[in-house]
Amino acid sequence: NAGVTQTPKFRILKIGQSMTLQCAQDMNHNYMYWYRQDPGMGLKLIYYSVGAGITDKGEVPNGYNVSRSTTEDFPLRLELAAPSQTSVYFCASRPSAQETQYFGPGTRLLVL
Amino acid sequence: DQQVKQNSPSLSVQEGRISILNCDYTNSMFDYFLWYKKYPAEGPTFLISISSIKDKNEDGRFTVFLNKSAKHLSLHIVPSQPGDSAVYFCAASVSNTGNQFYFGTGTSLTVIP
Repeated sequence: NAGVTQTPKFRILKIGQSMTLQCAQDMNHNYMYWYRQDPGMGLKLIYYSVGAGITDKGEVPNGYNVSRSTTEDFPLRLELAAPSQTSVYFCASRPSAQETQYFGPGTRLLVL
Repeated sequence: DQQVKQNSPSLSVQEGRISILNCDYTNSMFDYFLWYKKYPAEGPTFLISISSIKDKNEDGRFTVFLNKSAKHLSLHIVPSQPGDSAVYFCAASVSNTGNQFYFGTGTSLTVIP
């Protein structure tokens, strides 16, 4: 199993550009999550999904959108990039609400 | 509003000695706590967890202690090894909601050979 994979590893965006951060898992996990980690801070939940077709907002959803059309994929969309979205983004998945999360390696995003 | 706090950004310990990492929380509804370890350029990996029905959980060299009245948990690593050098995050959740984990800001542990 590849586990949780994220692409790209690193990206520079200009203010106002859009992009999609990709996340895929091959463990057939129902639950998937997107977090951001700012320097010196903990991880903050952006969006999560409890299964295909179901998504919900976390702590910091503004400026982001998600979709979950399949169990495997959970892309995160930035529509109008802002410098405040400069961060490291982690995707995670877990099989059920009672089990731990497995994280991907992260995507580092710089908005200039 | 930071509901989970790790007040020590860094900690240095000699190899073979005990490492103690601390975490405080403010939400009395939290009943499930976890520790994650993170190496540079990698995602966090799960280390150990504890439910609020327990006050201690052990896994090899790692022990987590929970003091509910003080809203405090700690991670003990004995003996510390150079490979333990990483950033450690504690996280908390309300288990019957099952979805949102709240993370601390992390403690960078350096184990000196």
